Amino acid sequence: KAGVTQTPRYLIKTRGQQVTLSCSPISGHRSVSWYQQTPGQGLQFLFEYFSETQRNKGNFPGRFSGRQFSNSRSEMNVSTLELGDSALYLCASSAGPGQNYGYTFGSGTRLTVV
Amino acid sequence: SQKIEQNSEALNIQEGKTATLTCNYTNYSPAYLQWYRQDPGRGPVFLLLIRENEKEKRKERLKVTFDTTLKQSLFHITASQPADSATYLCAFQQWGSQGNLIFGKGTKLSVKP
Repeated sequence: KAGVTQTPRYLIKTRGQQVTLSCSPISGHRSVSWYQQTPGQGLQFLFEYFSETQRNKGNFPGRFSGRQFSNSRSEMNVSTLELGDSALYLCASSAGPGQNYGYTFGSGTRLTVV
Repeated sequence: SQKIEQNSEALNIQEGKTATLTCNYTNYSPAYLQWYRQDPGRGPVFLLLIRENEKEKRKERLKVTFDTTLKQSLFHITASQPADSATYLCAFQQWGSQGNLIFGKGTKLSVKP
């Protein structure tokens, strides 16, 4: 079956702009999480959605937001981009509670802010 | 403050040997611990999960241990191969924290032929 699909793979944006990233989970997976990965901070949790509801949120400013649709696809949005937002953004989905099954990650979207 | 540390940023070993990676945590009470492999430019790939009430888990050449007294997990790859070269990440999840994995910075393993 198809894995977790993230689009686009690469993105270059200018400071002050906004960006929307998309994630399609594995069919049947209802939990979708988002992470930011940078060389300095590693992987950091952004937020998690389940059945269109945000259940958990990390310590990121309000410029970072997300949503989940009825088909479990998810989007995250970053407004007023800053240079420090340059990172690999990863989406992960899970069949059930991730504690039992682990998470399946997509290949990520590489965002560069110039 | 809460902290997760993977003791080595990099580990170089010879093919055929056992690689042992360490993950320590402080000020957490993790319910579950997971190990992932990440190749350059790719997302992490799930390898193994162990619960707080389990001491050891195995999968083919992989073994993970979880010691809540020492607050440590060890990850072993036996009979290592050059194809095992990658960055390995440990991640904790606490009770009730859906989707929120807390990751270590990773250990880059290089297996030389």
